[in-house]
Amino acid sequence: DAKTTQPTSMDCAEGRAANLPCNHSTISGNEYVYWYRQIHSQGPQYIIHGLKNNETNEMASLIITEDRKSSTLILPHATLRDTAVYYCIVRVMGGGTSYGKLTFGQGTILTVHP
Amino acid sequence: EAGVAQSPRYKIIEKRQSVAFWCNPISGHATLYWYQQILGQGPKLLIQFQNNGVVDDSQLPKDRFSAERLKGVDSTLKIQPAKLEDSAVYLCASSLWATDVSGNTIYFGEGSWLTVV
Repeated sequence: DAKTTQPTSMDCAEGRAANLPCNHSTISGNEYVYWYRQIHSQGPQYIIHGLKNNETNEMASLIITEDRKSSTLILPHATLRDTAVYYCIVRVMGGGTSYGKLTFGQGTILTVHP
Repeated sequence: EAGVAQSPRYKIIEKRQSVAFWCNPISGHATLYWYQQILGQGPKLLIQFQNNGVVDDSQLPKDRFSAERLKGVDSTLKIQPAKLEDSAVYLCASSLWATDVSGNTIYFGEGSWLTVV
């Protein structure tokens, strides 16, 4: 599976946009970029995913570079409740012994402050 | 829609004792995963089921860990005998058939917190 690199921690002011970068330079054509977050004492929560086009949902936007080697998760108006560990994951889809599973790294600790 | 249910939520046992965790996935989800998350680390996949068959158990310490999903719905993860290093959160997750190329979502339960003393 492709490996991802994320900053260990980031800060963001409440109400501002939080931009979380992720590098996945070895991503393959059948791998999607997924983002999950984990708030303290809870299970990971799905945020968004994409293959090569930018994606937006009610939680966030995902910007994937044209070469697919990096991406950015954008929380447009961060709140204190967005404080969590954010995981960027590449996920193999379409077949093979590793299909479907999520391989988590260390993630980025995002702290939203007042 | 009900989420992934796990029990017990918390468990404290002594080393060398046994423990079992139960998971009920989202209705209709064929794929079920068990993850182990040690404090300060990301979750690590232990085993993946497709219906009642094992797809991947390469990271499961089979000398002490076992898991089953006999009827393709509920699953049980057992540890016997437990070691101190097994202290972790055990997360169950489920998704639709994994080879859906549109990218199906994996949903996680709240986890079962194990402390081995």
